[in-house]
Amino acid sequence: QKEVEQNSGPLSVPEGAIASLNCTYSDRGSQSFFWYRQYSGKSPELIMSIYSNGDKEDGRFTAQLNKASQYVSLLIRDSQPSDSATYLCAVNTNTGGFKTIFGAGTRLFVKA
Amino acid sequence: KAGVTQTPRYLIKTRGQQVTLSCSPISGHRSVSWYQQTPGQGLQFLFEYFSETQRNKGNFPGRFSGRQFSNSRSEMNVSTLELGDSALYLCASSPGTGFGNTIYFGEGSWLTVV
Repeated sequence: QKEVEQNSGPLSVPEGAIASLNCTYSDRGSQSFFWYRQYSGKSPELIMSIYSNGDKEDGRFTAQLNKASQYVSLLIRDSQPSDSATYLCAVNTNTGGFKTIFGAGTRLFVKA
Repeated sequence: KAGVTQTPRYLIKTRGQQVTLSCSPISGHRSVSWYQQTPGQGLQFLFEYFSETQRNKGNFPGRFSGRQFSNSRSEMNVSTLELGDSALYLCASSPGTGFGNTIYFGEGSWLTVV
């Protein structure tokens, strides 16, 4: 089992729709969770971090965390073509030493 | 505030050569992590340095090494390059180490091994 799993996609949504991206992780001791966006040929940039169970909203983005289910999600409301990118879920883990590990990413296409 | 700076941005090396990549973290950040990104394997953790000490190392051969200087700047070295080492190498910095520290990436160094 991979430490951080994401559906690779591609996920295609029409402009204005809600895009829902999901992530599961294996280390029950993880306490910090992040979503990064990576445009083709560019480096990952941080969108949001979340540490507590529940929802965290920032503009059009909402991160959701459920530690009991070991599940993190990212909702993008009113999706725009400029949101087309790969979204990486990241988790802090202390298994085998502290590090931030990443899922393989979900490619999102927003159709105009 | 300047971001994470990586040099060089692009380089081409021949199999068997070695390469050194440099990273300057965000001012005030003391932790530097290195990652390798390839289309097939995604973002793979290489190692993390904090206060000039390697705190953790990923599952990479000994040809991959790194160090951190007293000013928190970091270098990574890959010796005896193989074709499979062609990748985007990303440096990330964070204020400290441990839970709650968010890492911020540089633009990366694109390495092509021919």
